[in-house]
Amino acid sequence: GQNIDQPTEMTATEGAIVQINCTYQTSGFNGLFWYQQHAGEAPTFLSYNVLDGLEEKGRFSSFLSRSKGYSYLLLKELQMKDSASYLCAVRDSNYQLIWGAGTKLIIKP
Amino acid sequence: DTEVTQTPKHLVMGMTNKKSLKCEQHMGHRAMYWYKQKAKKPPELMFVYSYEKLSINESVPSRFSPECPNSSLLNLHLHALQPEDSALYLCASSQEDYNSYEQYFGPGTRLTVT
Repeated sequence: GQNIDQPTEMTATEGAIVQINCTYQTSGFNGLFWYQQHAGEAPTFLSYNVLDGLEEKGRFSSFLSRSKGYSYLLLKELQMKDSASYLCAVRDSNYQLIWGAGTKLIIKP
Repeated sequence: DTEVTQTPKHLVMGMTNKKSLKCEQHMGHRAMYWYKQKAKKPPELMFVYSYEKLSINESVPSRFSPECPNSSLLNLHLHALQPEDSALYLCASSQEDYNSYEQYFGPGTRLTVT
């Protein structure tokens, strides 16, 4: 079966750095996405990785290792507004998006 | 315009009612999606329209009926729903469903079935 694992919840301090991990086992791979979702709102696109390595976009970076079936989202200089759920999603060989359950990130002052 | 709009924002309906959810985008995207999301769960794909044709139906019960009148509009017709259908219904669009890598989501319709 297809499976995406990410931690259920993480806590970090304002101004710090946090890394949210995602491991996947899917039938094929055609890219990995990270979305941010604030409570009661729609997901918003953060990043996309299809090749191994690090993609940096401002305070957010995303890393992919296809051989390990592993990705992480790195958030730097955390702000209170970064409190949200972070969803990892993998596009499989049929170009279907398989979603992880999301990681709820709590930022404390 | 990089916005997907959905109406209504909130909907309360009885199990015998018929209602419709509407979604609109003017980004020229040719793929549109309906998702259902329960609290603290990831979005669950329901339907995909590609070039105004239904390309994916994820075994959704017939009480949910999608419609794509044109390339900018997507409707979800609801009839005889059950209380367990209460959820956030999200519409999304992308340039194309296979080649595009980013889905733009609308704000969602919060549906409560009584």
